[in-house]
This record gives sequence, structure tokens and C-alpha cells, in this order.
Amino acid sequence: DVKVTQSSRYLVKRTGEKVFLECVQDMDHENMFWYRQDPGLGLRLIYFSYDVKMKEKGDIPEGYSVSREKKERFSLILESASTNQTSMYLCASSFDRLYTEAFFGQGTRLTVV
Amino acid sequence: AQRVTQPEKLLSVFKGAPVELKCNYSYSGSPELFWYVQYSRQRLQLLLRHISRESIKGFTADLNKGETSFHLKKPFAQEEDSAMYYCALTLHSGNTPLVFGKGTRLSVIA
Repeated sequence: DVKVTQSSRYLVKRTGEKVFLECVQDMDHENMFWYRQDPGLGLRLIYFSYDVKMKEKGDIPEGYSVSREKKERFSLILESASTNQTSMYLCASSFDRLYTEAFFGQGTRLTVV
Repeated sequence: AQRVTQPEKLLSVFKGAPVELKCNYSYSGSPELFWYVQYSRQRLQLLLRHISRESIKGFTADLNKGETSFHLKKPFAQEEDSAMYYCALTLHSGNTPLVFGKGTRLSVIA
């Protein structure tokens, strides 16, 4: 059973803090993704990675960075948290880019105050 | 850029009524289409994909390339179908991750 695990379900951080969201998958998947989920806006891609130490920008990368030092772990970093980054963050992984299922984590609800 | 449009934010139907969740797409290549579902307090999960031509939980979706649509259908809605539904697209070539629509919340009324 594929597992994508996000380190926190809920986080509350202060404006200006550096925030780390961690995601680990246990199926040796090549691809990992970070999405942001907001009501009325759907899922928007922040960053993705097709290999270790590789990263590509998605649709809304501003204010975020990522790190993938090991195949199973993909971290999302908010360099200086702002209130407009309050959201649900979803991590996902997939075996390859096409035709296969993307598996999602349970989500991290981040509140920036 | 690829785009997925789900015109309805909310769709309410009575139990036993037919359901159709609309999805239209624009693309610059050859697309592969998916429907994902998120039930209350559960993680987002794949419902079905075009390439599999399958029916899951009574749902089907047909790719209409002429109308660039991939509508999700079920002949008789059940209360347990109430959830958030997302249409998603990727391309057969290139370095394209999944692109999602904004989602449609389906509410099945008893």
C-alpha cells in the first residue's frame, strides 16, 4: 500500500518565519510534487521533481523553494511566511509522468498569523 | 499552456438522479485525462483515468476530442458519492506534471 506521509497535519507559524513542510513516500517513486489547495482555486502546482536533486517550478513558485536530497523525501520551504500562504498543502508522488496514478499525502493545513 | 476547466463549483442532485460533472480542457499536445476525488476527511485519490477505459463506483468518463471534454457521469447518484471532484490532465510527451481544474463539489441529497 503506497504511503505518502506529510510530517504535520496542522501548523501555525508567524509572519516572517522560515517554514519547512516535509513529505516522504515509501514506494520508490521517481516523481514528487507539491500542490496548494484553496477553495475555489483547486490544486495549483508549486514545484515538482523528477529526480533527486532536480526541481522544476510549477505555476506558483514565488515565495517557495524545495529540496530533494533523497529520492523518498521532498521538502517544501517557505522562505519568509506570509499570511497569503495560509493554505492546505498537498504532497504527491508517482512512478512516472504518464498514465500512472499520483498518490497524495493527507495534507498540511498551514496557518500564518 | 494546458488548462482544465470545471464550470460548476457546486452540483446538487437527488439520490437516484443522474450525475454529470463537466470538464473541458485546452492543450498544446496529446492529453491524458483523469478524475480525482476527495471524500470528506480523506486524501485525494484517483477515481478513473481515460486510458484505462474503466468504470469505477459506477462512474464513467468519455474523452471527446472534438469538444475537448472529459465529463464524468453516473446514471444513479448515491449519498456516498458526495465529495469534491477534480479533473486533471497531463500530456503524452514533454515534462508535464498533472494540471488540475478548480474542482466541483457534488452533493447528493437523500
